[in-house]
Amino acid sequence: RKEVEQDPGPFNVPEGATVAFNCTYSNSASQSFFWYRQDCRKEPKLLMSVYSSGNEDGRFTAQLNRASQYISLLIRDSKLSDSATYLCAVRLMDTGRRALTFGSGTRLQVQP
Amino acid sequence: EADIYQTPRYLVIGTGKKITLECSQTMGHDKMYWYQQDPGMELHLIHYSYGVNSTEKGDLSSESTVSRIRTEHFPLTLESARPSHTSQYLCASRGALGQGMNTEAFFGQGTRLTVV
Repeated sequence: RKEVEQDPGPFNVPEGATVAFNCTYSNSASQSFFWYRQDCRKEPKLLMSVYSSGNEDGRFTAQLNRASQYISLLIRDSKLSDSATYLCAVRLMDTGRRALTFGSGTRLQVQP
Repeated sequence: EADIYQTPRYLVIGTGKKITLECSQTMGHDKMYWYQQDPGMELHLIHYSYGVNSTEKGDLSSESTVSRIRTEHFPLTLESARPSHTSQYLCASRGALGQGMNTEAFFGQGTRLTVV
């Protein structure tokens, strides 16, 4: 089983739609959680950190469910420019190295 | 914007050549990482470093080696390139000393390597 698993893509949605991605993690010792956005042939860029109480940044809302070991990303009022691959990332605090483990990503295509 | 730089951006090289991929950051970050990513696939950690003179292998076995002689510099070397090394290599750094645990990783723009 992969340490971090994401919804399979691609998600094809019309402009203005609300779309939600889930990401599950296998290690309960995971302590830090992030959503990254990666455009085609570009490097990942941080979209938002995910805090225990959930957090919102404009049209984006991230939530963490420790009991079920998943994080989610909700995008409201989708724009064409939201088309990208969304990667969830998890950091384990008990390994010492504190590197991020990434999911394989979910591709979002927003259509006019 | 993150101040982490990778060179070259693109490299096409023949089998058997020795290559070094450069990565530098000016943020004073102590932790640095190399990830490998094939097109449309996930990122795999191949090397990481806690600080100067500290390097460790990551999750994915790699024939590459790294060094960390200076805080800002984390080059990756392939002694003898092969077609199986064709991939994108992404360098990342995180968190200066004293910063909190939840600091994110910043990525360089990547080096797209093709070995022919």
